[in-house]
Amino acid sequence: DTGVSQNPRHKITKRGQNVTFRCDPISEHNRLYWYRQTLGQGPEFLTYFQNEAQLEKSRLLSDRFSAERPKGSFSTLEIQRTEQGDSAMYLCASSPRPVNTQYFGPGTRLTVL
Amino acid sequence: EDQVTQSPEALRLQEGESSSLNCSYTVSGLRGLFWYRQDPGKGPEFLFTLYSAGEEKEKERLKATLTKKESFLHITAPKPEDSATYLCAVQARNRDDKIIFGKGTRLHILP
Repeated sequence: DTGVSQNPRHKITKRGQNVTFRCDPISEHNRLYWYRQTLGQGPEFLTYFQNEAQLEKSRLLSDRFSAERPKGSFSTLEIQRTEQGDSAMYLCASSPRPVNTQYFGPGTRLTVL
Repeated sequence: EDQVTQSPEALRLQEGESSSLNCSYTVSGLRGLFWYRQDPGKGPEFLFTLYSAGEEKEKERLKATLTKKESFLHITAPKPEDSATYLCAVQARNRDDKIIFGKGTRLHILP
């Protein structure tokens, strides 16, 4: 059990550029979650996958955001036309069935200049 | 609407000075309440899951308790390495998706 991994750990980009983050969940965890965390706040839910199916998206996830989980393994989160307000820590978590405790990765810190 | 409120926002304690962190919640049927520890720049680290009122769980110097409206994280004789932000989160029954987090309590243990 190597835990949830996320890449890159840090990303600095200019406003208007596209960025993509990757999450590798704990093996055999069929649920995968994306959260966003800003300074002084708790993580906020963005979206959730069960296997390859994206089952819910928060209203925080604007049209510029898209997430995929091909083949039910790793997941990617893409942000198009980044804005300064997108600067945050993006966290990925996974959970096994039937227990729903979510185990988090180290996060990707995004800074939009 | 499901909601989690944590208090205090920040807490400074001397090493060895025991205290408790509070998590008040409103949820449409509790499936589980979670405590996480988060160090600066890192992802949340799972500590405990509590499922029903009256349940208690312990790990080293930490003990988590649950009532129908709130949870407490008791820290006994803390050490400087216990300094971190402690996050509380809830999941509603029949919801396999999001968990709702509080803003956390920033704990600082002075040597």
